[in-house]
Amino acid sequence: AQKITQTQPGMFVQEKEAVTLDCTYDTSDQSYGLFWYKQPSSGEMIFLIYQGSYDEQNATEGRYSLNFQKARKSANLVISASQLGDSAMYFCAMNFGNEKLTFGTGTRLTIIP
Amino acid sequence: EADIYQTPRYLVIGTGKKITLECSQTMGHDKMYWYQQDPGMELHLIHYSYGVNSTEKGDLSSESTVSRIRTEHFPLTLESARPSHTSQYLCASSDVWGSHGELFFGEGSRLTVL
Repeated sequence: AQKITQTQPGMFVQEKEAVTLDCTYDTSDQSYGLFWYKQPSSGEMIFLIYQGSYDEQNATEGRYSLNFQKARKSANLVISASQLGDSAMYFCAMNFGNEKLTFGTGTRLTIIP
Repeated sequence: EADIYQTPRYLVIGTGKKITLECSQTMGHDKMYWYQQDPGMELHLIHYSYGVNSTEKGDLSSESTVSRIRTEHFPLTLESARPSHTSQYLCASSDVWGSHGELFFGEGSRLTVL
């Protein structure tokens, strides 16, 4: 069974600095997808970025990039130039063959003015 | 932009009441899901459906039930609510074709059972 681990329960970062949120996963499958979601205090889940296990390039979406290290089984989210609106819970997730997602325990990010 | 709607957003009820949390999506997605999430905690899959008349239990055991009579509608029902059911319930859907399986979520239903 797949497992997602996020070891940082909470992080505090100064505004405009870059931040890296850690995510490691455990699977014996070769084909899988990795996702990051943002959950503001309002509760909705917002899809941020996707990385396929066979993608050779790290995924990027605006200020978000995914530092994918397949051999280490890690898929860290990097947010550049952090903003106050980035304060939220962030969840790493994975799936196999477009099937249901399994989520990590999340990291609460707080951006300090 | 995702179009998936959940009602009610907030619900406070007494023990023993029957409740139904509604979830509808207008994207024509075949796959729909219900996740349960305690405040600040991870999401646990409790039910999913891959199409009309198809429902499966998720990884976390739940006393709730679901139905999928129409593609766009995936309601969740608790026959007799208890305080242990207090949680946030998130509905999601995903496309089969042309996607990696990313989920589109509703805004959630926050249930409090007194």
